[in-house]
Amino acid sequence: RKEVEQDPGPFNVPEGATVAFNCTYSNSASQSFFWYRQDCRKEPKLLMSVYSSGNEDGRFTAQLNRASQYISLLIRDSKLSDSATYLCVVTRGSTLGRLYFGRGTQLTVWP
Amino acid sequence: EAGVTQFPSHSVIEKGQTVTLRCDPISGHDNLYWYRRVMGKEIKFLLHFVKESKQDESGMPNNRFLAERTGGTYSTLKVQPAELEDSGVYFCASSSYDRLGQETQYFGPGTRLLVL
Repeated sequence: RKEVEQDPGPFNVPEGATVAFNCTYSNSASQSFFWYRQDCRKEPKLLMSVYSSGNEDGRFTAQLNRASQYISLLIRDSKLSDSATYLCVVTRGSTLGRLYFGRGTQLTVWP
Repeated sequence: EAGVTQFPSHSVIEKGQTVTLRCDPISGHDNLYWYRRVMGKEIKFLLHFVKESKQDESGMPNNRFLAERTGGTYSTLKVQPAELEDSGVYFCASSSYDRLGQETQYFGPGTRLLVL
């Protein structure tokens, strides 16, 4: 079973739409949680960390449900510039620093 | 501040040849990681240096891969001899800790390796 599972999409939405991505992780010992963004043929960049209480950064809201081992990312008022692949990433306490990646969810925002 | 840099950006070699990838982390970052993305798969961890020491090399595929970080600055990843399945994008990352102790990894642009 993969460490991190994501719906690969693609998600194609119009500008201004709200879109939600989901991710599940298999290891209950997972410690830290992140969403990274990767543009085509570029490196992954940290979008936001995900905390148990949920957190918001502008149009982006991340939620974590430890009981269900489930992470989500909500993007409101989508912009053309949001088009990218969104990577769900976790760490484990036992493997300090090592990141476990999902395969990513592709988003295309159209005008 | 300069980000993580990697060289070369692309490399095309024949099966059996040797290739050496280089990574220069952000200045002052003690942690350096190598990851790889094979086509159609997720990005996977290869190994982790803390300064010049290998903290975790459990992700290295086999003994054809050798990573070094002499002096605790830049790192090299050598593949010898290269096989077809080694093709992919090799990312390097270095990390720092924020005031809450949270680690953030910053990725380099990657080296695209194609083995023919």
